[in-house]
Amino acid sequence: EAQVTQNPRYLITVTGKKLTVTCSQNMNHEYMSWYRQDPGLGLRQIYYSMNVEVTDKGDVPEGYKVSRKEKRNFPLILESPSPNQTSLYFCASSLLGREGYNEQFFGPGTRLTVL
Amino acid sequence: AQSVAQPEDQVNVAEGNPLTVKCTYSVSGNPYLFWYVQYPNRGLQFLLKYITGDNLVKGSYGFEAEFNKSQTSFHLKKPSALVSDSALYFCAVFAYNNNDMRFGAGTRLTVKP
Repeated sequence: EAQVTQNPRYLITVTGKKLTVTCSQNMNHEYMSWYRQDPGLGLRQIYYSMNVEVTDKGDVPEGYKVSRKEKRNFPLILESPSPNQTSLYFCASSLLGREGYNEQFFGPGTRLTVL
Repeated sequence: AQSVAQPEDQVNVAEGNPLTVKCTYSVSGNPYLFWYVQYPNRGLQFLLKYITGDNLVKGSYGFEAEFNKSQTSFHLKKPSALVSDSALYFCAVFAYNNNDMRFGAGTRLTVKP
């Protein structure tokens, strides 16, 4: 089954304790992206990657890191989480087709609480 | 930078009536426009997209959207709403020149029996 998986689905942590949220897709997609969803703000892009070893900042990259060492994986790293990073996080992937950008497939989400 | 506006936080319609969820955008260059739907405790699901071609785009679950370049709008429509259409709907625009994806704040659609 074609899918995007994220782990963990739920995480409660404390300020300053490094964490990683994993994201993996099995569709051989070039483009992968991380978003955070906050009430009234919709989804905001944190980082994206056009392919292996190619990453770039989105709209709200501060406090986050990513890496793309393999095509299927795109982990999100919070080196020193703070309470304002409490949010619902989504990973997504898509092809970069001949027509340009294609529709994204989203993971189920990770609800992060930073105390 | 591009932006997306969904002017209505909430849209309420009766089952069987037509529905419209509004979206306007701002982007330099040609826009790639999308609609996604989010059901409770789920990720977003793709509904439809406009890249080029016909201004009226048909998508999943009977939804369609009309691209209007002069009004910079991409409203989502359905001729006859179902209770099961109740969900959170997001409009999004992608700017190919900078690979930047922007989503609107979302519109909660409630269809009442």
